[in-house]
Amino acid sequence: AQSVAQPEDQVNVAEGNPLTVKCTYSVSGNPYLFWYVQYPNRGLQFLLKYITGDNLVKGSYGFEAEFNKSQTSFHLKKPSALVSDSALYFCAVRDPAAYSGAGSYQLTFGKGTKLSVIP
Amino acid sequence: EPEVTQTPSHQVTQMGQEVILRCVPISNHLYFYWYRQILGQKVEFLVSFYNNEISEKSEIFDDQFSVERPDGSNFTLKIRSTKLEDSAMYFCASSEALRGYEQFFGPGTRLTVL
Repeated sequence: AQSVAQPEDQVNVAEGNPLTVKCTYSVSGNPYLFWYVQYPNRGLQFLLKYITGDNLVKGSYGFEAEFNKSQTSFHLKKPSALVSDSALYFCAVRDPAAYSGAGSYQLTFGKGTKLSVIP
Repeated sequence: EPEVTQTPSHQVTQMGQEVILRCVPISNHLYFYWYRQILGQKVEFLVSFYNNEISEKSEIFDDQFSVERPDGSNFTLKIRSTKLEDSAMYFCASSEALRGYEQFFGPGTRLTVL
């Protein structure tokens, strides 16, 4: 079964400093990995994904994430945090080995990390 | 930019009542999903739907739940007899069949069962 761990409930960072939100995963095969962000009273917004290819993927709003197969990690990073980045961040995984012919793309989410960027 | 929409934004119901949550997926998407998020907990998969049938469902999606695509645009989640523990935020999502794998989520319906 696939699973995702986000070890930090909350991350605090000063505006302008680099930020990292951690994610580790467990799947039986090669994972498809995603980051979503949730602002208060809003739905989940897609930030970026790793499917294959370069381990460093770039996404929306200046975010990037690095896929590390040996450490089974997919940490979200940004070189310079903005106050407007304050939100709840979710890592998610899909295990293509679990794919069934009928066409399911079930995502398994981590519990989320609250990012607070302090002015 | 196209987006997934959901109605209502907030639904309050009495225990034992039926509720229908509505979603309009992105128009060219072929895969549809429902997830839920109980307050303070992680987002959980409920069901996926493709080609007018359920393709996968979780243990949460028991006989009290059903999904339907009644026309070419709407995708609904019905809970036949609501329980207190059904109180949660319910998210609809959709994805394209061929290009990319990301799912696009709606803003959610907050269901409160009293």
